[in-house]
Amino acid sequence: EVQLVQSGAEVKKSGESLKISCKGSGYSFTSFWIGWVRQMPGKGPEWMGIIYPFDSDTRYSPSFQGQVTISADKSINTAYLQWSSLKASDTAMYYCARKPPGIAAASYAFDVWGQGTMLTVSS
Amino acid sequence: EIVLTQSPGTLSLSPGERATLSCRASQSVSSTSLAWYQQKPGLAPRLLIYGASTRATGIADRFSGSGSGTDFTLTISRLEAEDFAVYYCQQYGRPPTFGGGTKVEIK
Repeated sequence: EVQLVQSGAEVKKSGESLKISCKGSGYSFTSFWIGWVRQMPGKGPEWMGIIYPFDSDTRYSPSFQGQVTISADKSINTAYLQWSSLKASDTAMYYCARKPPGIAAASYAFDVWGQGTMLTVSS
Repeated sequence: EIVLTQSPGTLSLSPGERATLSCRASQSVSSTSLAWYQQKPGLAPRLLIYGASTRATGIADRFSGSGSGTDFTLTISRLEAEDFAVYYCQQYGRPPTFGGGTKVEIK
């Protein structure tokens, strides 16, 4: 079974750092992009960025460039999303999701999603 | 950045009725890069449609997508109990963006 399993909920304080994870299984981890999506309470999803674990090619949405870092360790089939200094406005659910490579239509959507990691940041 | 505006915000319908959801883009979007997702409370979004009109694996044929350019539509031909949820469109431009969602609720 193809799965993305994310790390558990986090409660942090403003200014703290954090790294959350997303572990893929049931497929060739290095053959698909892994993206990160933020969903603030009661709002629609926001596309943050994406990484290709094979070569760590990483792209960010301008809204998130410089605010977070996306990385991956292909030896353990895991992608990461990290913050160096959290803010209260980072409070949200964060999802990782898989995107096929290439230029066919299927490659422009997230076909498998993790269960989400809820981040709560208090000021 | 392409802004996707979904309408209506909420659709109140009964099981068995037809649901028509709209997604309008602020500029032209390639049909190849338009997708629809369903999200139920407490769960991650689930891919329904990609390439504007192709159903994802395992998606029932009562779901269909259409449209081109700036206007796209998701149609649910006959609503079933499990279809009451929030639906989002997404385009994969630079950068990719999601719409604000349409909630389909039981009337």
